[in-house]
Amino acid sequence: DTAVSQTPKYLVTQMGNDKSIKCEQNLGHDTMYWYKQDSKKFLKIMFSYNNKELIINETVPNRFSPKSPDKAHLNLHINSLELGDSAVYFCASSDWGSGNTIYFGEGSWLTVV
Amino acid sequence: GDSVTQMEGPVTLSEEAFLTINCTYTATGYPSLFWYVQYPGEGLQLLLKATKADDKGSNKGFEATYRKETTSFHLEKGSVQVSDSAVYFCALLTLDGYQKVTFGIGTKLQVIP
Repeated sequence: DTAVSQTPKYLVTQMGNDKSIKCEQNLGHDTMYWYKQDSKKFLKIMFSYNNKELIINETVPNRFSPKSPDKAHLNLHINSLELGDSAVYFCASSDWGSGNTIYFGEGSWLTVV
Repeated sequence: GDSVTQMEGPVTLSEEAFLTINCTYTATGYPSLFWYVQYPGEGLQLLLKATKADDKGSNKGFEATYRKETTSFHLEKGSVQVSDSAVYFCALLTLDGYQKVTFGIGTKLQVIP
């Protein structure tokens, strides 16, 4: 069983559309994240949730809205997609606490055309 | 704020060569340090970690030692293989009211036969 799974893996969509990426973890972790990886492989945190509460909200356009219905799920909804949103989006999870490993999903490759 | 400085790649080595990828960090408090690896088309996998000064993390022949005095966590391997070709990310985790992982820019390693 995949520990952190996200869907879809590949998504090609037109500018202006609204899309969602779903993430689920079966590790029993209490903290989940969304990271964005740009074309140069740079990884930047977008959001972090602990026990369904938003903990980290970096400087991200408000077109991006995370939703955590329960501790095991953290979905990412993106409104009015722009060309610059093209990237790989990684979901991740961990247990809260120093030294705990963050486990990543396989990524969702978003291409906006 | 926290930051991770990692040598820029790409690094090209012949099989069985010695590998060093430098990583230094700036952080408040006592972070945990990680190396993640990303193979082409895949997500990030934890390679090794160290949670306190002088700890050595090791896995699959890779090693890194947490050096508080030089704020470094350099990755080494004595003899690289073609299958080690990937992007390597140094990262730190701090827990100062919220849990956040900060990544370096990633170093692409290419091992040629």
